[in-house]
Amino acid sequence: QVQLQESGPGLVKPSQTLSLTCTVSGGSTSSAGFYWSWIRQHPGKGLEWIGYIYYNGNTHYNPSLESRVTISIDTSKNQFSLKLSSVTAADTAMYYCARDFIGGGIDYWGQGTLVTVSS
Amino acid sequence: QLVLTQSPSASASLGASVKLTCTLSSGHRNYDIAWHQQQPEKGPRYLMKVNSDGSHSKGDGIPDRFSGSSSGAERYLTISSLQSEDEADYYCQTWGIGIVVFGGGTKLTVL
Repeated sequence: QVQLQESGPGLVKPSQTLSLTCTVSGGSTSSAGFYWSWIRQHPGKGLEWIGYIYYNGNTHYNPSLESRVTISIDTSKNQFSLKLSSVTAADTAMYYCARDFIGGGIDYWGQGTLVTVSS
Repeated sequence: QLVLTQSPSASASLGASVKLTCTLSSGHRNYDIAWHQQQPEKGPRYLMKVNSDGSHSKGDGIPDRFSGSSSGAERYLTISSLQSEDEADYYCQTWGIGIVVFGGGTKLTVL
């Protein structure tokens, strides 16, 4: 059973960089056939795709966030990470990491971590 | 532009069946989708993939009460023998080259 677990600060100051890590167990981030994704959900709202990374480091980002987002991967630690720069209160959300089976959709989700942007 | 459209809300009685709809935008009617369930105060959970040909494949441990189908640009999630724990938000998801799209979600109320 694949499990994903987000970790990182729950409070970030405005204008700073939000940093989260997702640790994968029961599966390998070095496997072909999967993208490793970040999704967020603003309070009371729907799901918003942030971007994903392939095991070889290739990335794709949501155009609306692309200028501020960096996703990286460390296959030796079976982890992938999200950095979102210049955050504002509008970036306050629940952040989820997930495994995306290429051609099959997201098939495993992390439990999510709430990030609040506030001074 | 790749867009998924869902009705904001639906309701059905305990023990009954309900069919939720996800509509693909014009020019994308041959896309496959995935359905996800989000119970109150919980993270999303993968339910199944629904293919454009109407076939579906479910995630681990998803009950037989959940099934998927397709017609034209519409993709469906049918839940039979509704239980109280089925009250949740249901999201459809699709994908293209370098892009992932979610529908706005349907809030299902079990009466």
